[in-house]
Amino acid sequence: DGGITQSPKYLFRKEGQNVTLSCEQNLNHDAMYWYRQDPGQGLRLIYYSQIVNDFQKGDIAEGYSVSREKKESFPLTVTSAQKNPTAFYLCASSIRAATSSLFSGANVLTFGAGSRLTVL
Amino acid sequence: QKEVEQNSGPLSVPEGAIASLNCTYSDRGSQSFFWYRQYSGKSPELIMFIYSNGDKEDGRFTAQLNKASQYVSLLIRDSQPSDSATYLCAVNPFTGNQFYFGTGTSLTVIP
Repeated sequence: DGGITQSPKYLFRKEGQNVTLSCEQNLNHDAMYWYRQDPGQGLRLIYYSQIVNDFQKGDIAEGYSVSREKKESFPLTVTSAQKNPTAFYLCASSIRAATSSLFSGANVLTFGAGSRLTVL
Repeated sequence: QKEVEQNSGPLSVPEGAIASLNCTYSDRGSQSFFWYRQYSGKSPELIMFIYSNGDKEDGRFTAQLNKASQYVSLLIRDSQPSDSATYLCAVNPFTGNQFYFGTGTSLTVIP
């Protein structure tokens, strides 16, 4: 079955440590995203990538880094510079990299199951 | 800033009633609109999307879009306790590939 796999599901980090969250998709989607969700809040975009070897900062990129070496993979590193990293992290993908026509109904965002990061 | 606004609720309806969830957006260039359901501790799942003015029905769910008023809504008919969740409205502008989310509306269906 096609989908998005995030790992680990739960992760605990000590202060000062970097941690990397994995995201793999087999949907053949061009675009991939990382969102952060805090309790009672909506989704905030950290980074997104429209094509291999290219990515853009979202609204809250500080303290995070990403890479896109393969179409299927978009790992997120939470660095020690991120002062409040405890949150629910969601990876997502969408089929098309650029919206170039009015046929935008197919450009649906599909989510992985999420990774919950807790700082000890 | 492309804003998407939702009433955070909580919204409570009795089982079998119609639940009405509302969303407004600021970017007039927005083209696609999505409703996601998110159960506590889980990731969002797509309920439906709409990109033409008017209504779109899928089972018990109806999405309504009014681009002139920059307003999109979701109606849930015959609400069930299993519909109790947070509903997220998302908007995709015509250009670019970002999706902008509201903060979500918490719905509780009372048996």
